[in-house]
Amino acid sequence: SQQGEEDPQALSIQEGENATMNCSYKTSINNLQWYRQNSGRGLVHLILIRSNEREKHSGRLRVTLDTSKKSSSLLITASRAADTASYFCATDEGPNFGNEKLTFGTGTRLTIIP
Amino acid sequence: DAGVIQSPRHEVTEMGQEVTLRCKPISGHNSLFWYRQTMMRGLELLIYFNNNVPIDDSGMPEDRFSAKMPNASFSTLKIQPSEPRDSAVYFCASSLQASGSSYNEQFFGPGTRLTVL
Repeated sequence: SQQGEEDPQALSIQEGENATMNCSYKTSINNLQWYRQNSGRGLVHLILIRSNEREKHSGRLRVTLDTSKKSSSLLITASRAADTASYFCATDEGPNFGNEKLTFGTGTRLTIIP
Repeated sequence: DAGVIQSPRHEVTEMGQEVTLRCKPISGHNSLFWYRQTMMRGLELLIYFNNNVPIDDSGMPEDRFSAKMPNASFSTLKIQPSEPRDSAVYFCASSLQASGSSYNEQFFGPGTRLTVL
């Protein structure tokens, strides 16, 4: 079964508001990553959080990780029209299997309304 | 750096024809991944290589699919014969896997949109 499941599947907010997306996974991980995909393009890496980290920031992005609940959230603050895209979480196979192979979630489609 | 390069960007073919997708990874990267993306199934890993050697091909749908990596700068994904259900966007990605490192960011190409009629 799929490792990562994002929630919600789709999200529409006004420009300037904050957007929060969640990801749940099933097995132990080394790290969790978030990627963005603009329409018709390939995925672009946004941020990585290691299993021993609880929170990480990068610009307007804030990622949290709760390994006890096997969940992560991505917060985009002060959203802009250019943030309109699909967002995916990706997890590796965990400490017993290495970290090359990633499994991507189903994605959250974020629409920012100008 | 030009990033991951894929060709062609679009391919329209008829059922039964052979299709070859090409990928040039980022120079210096030692891992290469082929993914397929559809609305129904999302993003699926088909196969990945490390140092030109196939490591995991468990995602390859069936024998009609094959992938090669003859050298560090080139890989192909071949479908023979193609079927309408193979219609999807195929992505190639590469990464640098350093020994002992847990950092494994993948860099994606623009994808090849395949339509099989």
